[in-house]
Amino acid sequence: AQSVAQPEDQVNVAEGNPLTVKCTYSVSGNPYLFWYVQYPNRGLQFLLKYITGDNLVKGSYGFEAEFNKSQTSFHLKKPSALVSDSALYFCAVRPPNTGFQKLVFGTGTRLLVSP
Amino acid sequence: KAGVTQTPRYLIKTRGQQVTLSCSPISGHRSVSWYQQTPGQGLQFLFEYFSETQRNKGNFPGRFSGRQFSNSRSEMNVSTLELGDSALYLCASSLDRTGAKRGRTDTQYFGPGTRLTVL
Repeated sequence: AQSVAQPEDQVNVAEGNPLTVKCTYSVSGNPYLFWYVQYPNRGLQFLLKYITGDNLVKGSYGFEAEFNKSQTSFHLKKPSALVSDSALYFCAVRPPNTGFQKLVFGTGTRLLVSP
Repeated sequence: KAGVTQTPRYLIKTRGQQVTLSCSPISGHRSVSWYQQTPGQGLQFLFEYFSETQRNKGNFPGRFSGRQFSNSRSEMNVSTLELGDSALYLCASSLDRTGAKRGRTDTQYFGPGTRLTVL
């Protein structure tokens, strides 16, 4: 079965420092991977996705993620964190070899950026 | 382009009642998916509709149902509400371009959700 793990419930970082939010996946075949962010009382906002090609994917708001097939990871990164980046981040995988739109989500990681 | 809209944003119901939630996808998007978000279970897939047909279903009881209209708008219904149905219900739409691989790579865009509280 397909699954996504986000090993950290919370990540704390000071403003201006680089941030990393970790994600590992378990999918047979080549996965389609996504990162979403959720602010309080809001839906999910799309940040970036990996389908194929370059392992480093650039997304919205200065975020990027690196796909590592050997480590089955898709960590989210940003060179310099902002206080406004504080939110709940979800990694998701779409199982391959299906035409359906189902996403399997991780449990989420709360990012707290301190001034 | 307007984003995904969901109505109502908040609902309070009592056990045993039924509820209908509505979702309007982004213009031109043909696929609509529904997810339930709770603190205990996280984000879970409910079902997906495409061209007025349920294309995929998650592991939820039959009390949860949905439909899609010819204009791609979708509704989901929960009958005989239970306390455990209290959740944020999220709708997502995607373009789902024809062609197997292209459709799979399309991004899902989420609405703001409907917060359902069952008392």
